[in-house]
Amino acid sequence: AQSVAQPEDQVNVAEGNPLTVKCTYSVSGNPYLFWYVQYPNRGLQFLLKYITGDNLVKGSYGFEAEFNKSQTSFHLKKPSALVSDSALYFCAVRDIGSGNTPLVFGKGTRLSVIA
Amino acid sequence: GAVVSQHPSRVICKSGTSVKIECRSLDFQATTMFWYRQFPKKSLMLMATSNEGSKATYEQGVEKDKFLINHASLTLSTLTVTSAHPEDSSFYICSARAPDRERGELFFGSGTQLSVL
Repeated sequence: AQSVAQPEDQVNVAEGNPLTVKCTYSVSGNPYLFWYVQYPNRGLQFLLKYITGDNLVKGSYGFEAEFNKSQTSFHLKKPSALVSDSALYFCAVRDIGSGNTPLVFGKGTRLSVIA
Repeated sequence: GAVVSQHPSRVICKSGTSVKIECRSLDFQATTMFWYRQFPKKSLMLMATSNEGSKATYEQGVEKDKFLINHASLTLSTLTVTSAHPEDSSFYICSARAPDRERGELFFGSGTQLSVL
């Protein structure tokens, strides 16, 4: 079975400082990993994904994430946070060998960037 | 990128009424769509997988007769909440994967906030 853990409900960071939102996963095979962002009363917007290749993935709005197979982690990072980055962030996973199946999401981490 | 349109964005209804939510893939054909439910401060919970031309596949604990899913065409899936009650109040989101991205990300509708009085 697939699962995702986001250990932090809330992350607070000052504007201009680097931010990290943590994610660990569990799959039986190899993972496809995703990060999505959700603004209030809105659907989800895709940020970035890891399928294969370089472990460091760059995505939208200056975000990046590093796939670490040994630690089964896929933490989301940004070198310099903006107030507009404040939102709810979801990590998601699919098992590569699972066919056209839905994503399994973590419970989400609320990011607050303080000016 | 692929676009998924969801309507309505917000609906308020009386207890006992039925509510239909539409999910359309605007620029691609989606043989499979997924319906998620999001509770306040909770993650997205998969409710069902909607398959074009066949019955939906429901997750454990989701009432089939309560949440009717119809996927009559390659671009439209509907979720009908029948005889809605206050506990059905939630944020419902549909999603689909573009055919050329069978192993890739899902594209999400903007969601429907359902409030049952």
